[in-house]
Amino acid sequence: DSGVTQTPKHLITATGQRVTLRCSPRSGDLSVYWYQQSLDQGLQFLIQYYNGEERAKGNILERFSAQQFPDLHSELNLSSLELGDSALYFCASTPTELTGELFFGEGSRLTVL
Amino acid sequence: AQKITQTQPGMFVQEKEAVTLDCTYDTSDPSYGLFWYKQPSSGEMIFLIYQGSYDQQNATEGRYSLNFQKARKSANLVISASQLGDSAMYFCAMRDLTNFGNEKLTFGTGTRLTIIP
Repeated sequence: DSGVTQTPKHLITATGQRVTLRCSPRSGDLSVYWYQQSLDQGLQFLIQYYNGEERAKGNILERFSAQQFPDLHSELNLSSLELGDSALYFCASTPTELTGELFFGEGSRLTVL
Repeated sequence: AQKITQTQPGMFVQEKEAVTLDCTYDTSDPSYGLFWYKQPSSGEMIFLIYQGSYDQQNATEGRYSLNFQKARKSANLVISASQLGDSAMYFCAMRDLTNFGNEKLTFGTGTRLTIIP
């Protein structure tokens, strides 16, 4: 158990819908990262937050948005969903910015039908 | 820009044999970290081993060791005495430790390892 909690674990929805994925980082971790893993693909970095502020952006679509709240949990909002958005979405956290591993949650598997 | 290359999409290895998973990287940053993660079929990402760019010795964690060759920019994962439970996807990743605000991990495309009984 990495200590990073993601909900929901599985989500099935229809095209055009909007979903919210939630992540609770490890206790004390200030940085949260979101990654997308499509079928048989590597992990694509989406966005990073540090202590409530956006720090870095990767290949995140305009239909997607995220935020980190004062209690450090983070949410990834996916809107106008398309079939291609079906993927495993990972949240990861790290205690310091420049050292150490990223601790990954178990992921939220999104299926868009 | 950072780049991680894993040239082996899939590997089949006999149980109890050692296996080497290849990883090469490209970066112009002087300080970086190299990681290996395991992803079993259940989907979770399991941290295996870490090597810092300034570490003098190769990292080891139990049956895992990282063969770090800085001049060649390679960071191969060696698994000794492979077990059936080692069957999984393995990802090499790199983290820039130089630039504030750019600490994300960049992942390779992965190698699917299958251990044969």
